[in-house]
Amino acid sequence: GIQVEQSPPDLILQEGANSTLRCNFSDSVNNLQWFHQNPWGQLINLFYIPSGTKQNGRLSATTVATERYSLLYISSSQTTDSGVYFCAVDSTASKLTFGTGTRLQVTL
Amino acid sequence: DTGVSQDPRHKITKRGQNVTFRCDPISEHNRLYWYRQTLGQGPEFLTYFQNEAQLEKSRLLSDRFSAERPKGSFSTLEIQRTEQGDSAMYLCASSVSTPADEQYFGPGTRLTVT
Repeated sequence: GIQVEQSPPDLILQEGANSTLRCNFSDSVNNLQWFHQNPWGQLINLFYIPSGTKQNGRLSATTVATERYSLLYISSSQTTDSGVYFCAVDSTASKLTFGTGTRLQVTL
Repeated sequence: DTGVSQDPRHKITKRGQNVTFRCDPISEHNRLYWYRQTLGQGPEFLTYFQNEAQLEKSRLLSDRFSAERPKGSFSTLEIQRTEQGDSAMYLCASSVSTPADEQYFGPGTRLTVT
């Protein structure tokens, strides 16, 4: 099956800093989603981005499908950005395969 | 729209007991998915339905697990003869298959088997 790798596994930032999270995948995809999992376990949709670039406030994402990677940019980080960020891909028009996540901690 | 809901949110059971979880998808979403997440890992796919048809099951879904979506709306996931290794967060998601199959997740049911 498709493999998904995320980096870095852990990231500690001071409030106000910027960061880039990376997702590499091993095969062509129909679907790529970025999620933020909050401390209560809820997965919050950030982007549906099988290709191209999207922006939503302080967050933006870019997927280069031909090179099989996606990037999530977080600018001016806030403590509420803390949590785990997951990239998930779908190559079969059905199930999502998740990476192992990037654990982000934003400190004051 | 209130989003995907799951019930119960937490379940503690003794090994060997049966448990059943419920998922209500976003209305008019024709696809419904079940995933399992253990500590420190990303969610893993278990099974999915398109309307009432169960179209795919993971190898993770042993014969002790069964899922149904009888009228193409809510779904149930039953685990029989629970084992300690079944302790996990069980997540439900739903989507519309077209034009974009973006999945939306519920809050999950956290199962603890003692």
